[in-house]
Amino acid sequence: QVHLVESGGGVVQPGRSLRLSCAASGFSFSNYGMHWVRQAPGKGLEWVAAISNDGSRKDYADSVKGRFTISRDNSKNTQFLQMNSLRADDTAVYYCARVKSRGTFWADAFDIWGQGTMVTVSS
Amino acid sequence: EIVLTQSPGTLSLSPGERATLSCRASQNLDSRYLAWYQQKPGQAPRLLIYGASSRGTAIPDRFSGSGSGTDFTLTISRLEPEDFVVYYCQQYGSTPLTFGGGTKVEIK
Repeated sequence: QVHLVESGGGVVQPGRSLRLSCAASGFSFSNYGMHWVRQAPGKGLEWVAAISNDGSRKDYADSVKGRFTISRDNSKNTQFLQMNSLRADDTAVYYCARVKSRGTFWADAFDIWGQGTMVTVSS
Repeated sequence: EIVLTQSPGTLSLSPGERATLSCRASQNLDSRYLAWYQQKPGQAPRLLIYGASSRGTAIPDRFSGSGSGTDFTLTISRLEPEDFVVYYCQQYGSTPLTFGGGTKVEIK
């Protein structure tokens, strides 16, 4: 069974940092590009970041560029999202998602999603 | 950035009826890079359609996608009770990847 499980969410003050994790199982993690997508309460979906299967290529939404860093550890089947300088408008459920095809970086649909982890930025 | 505009924002229909959801792109989009997702309350999105018209794994054939250029459509041929949720289109032809604002299908 293919699974993605996010963790690391919580309540954090503005300006502080948080690191999210996404543990993968049931597939060959090192063969797939991975993404983070977020959804503010009651709002739509917003793409956040992408990382290639080998971690050599990364891309970010302008809204998080310079503050968030995506990474992965293929030996542990886990990807990460390091979030620094958090702002109130970063409050959202953060989903990790897998691209549908092996070897694809960002030009692919997302066929597997985690259940999401909530991040609340508030003083 | 490619902006995706979904319409209508809310669609009120009855079970058994046909639903037609629209997604318009701000510039021409290769149809290989257009997807539709379904999201139920409290759940992650689920891939319905990719490449504008290919169904995802285990997606019922009452869901179909079509379109090209700037205009794309998701059609649900006969609405089942579990279909009354929110649908998003997404383009993955260029970064930043973008989603439409969503269409909520509600029971009339």
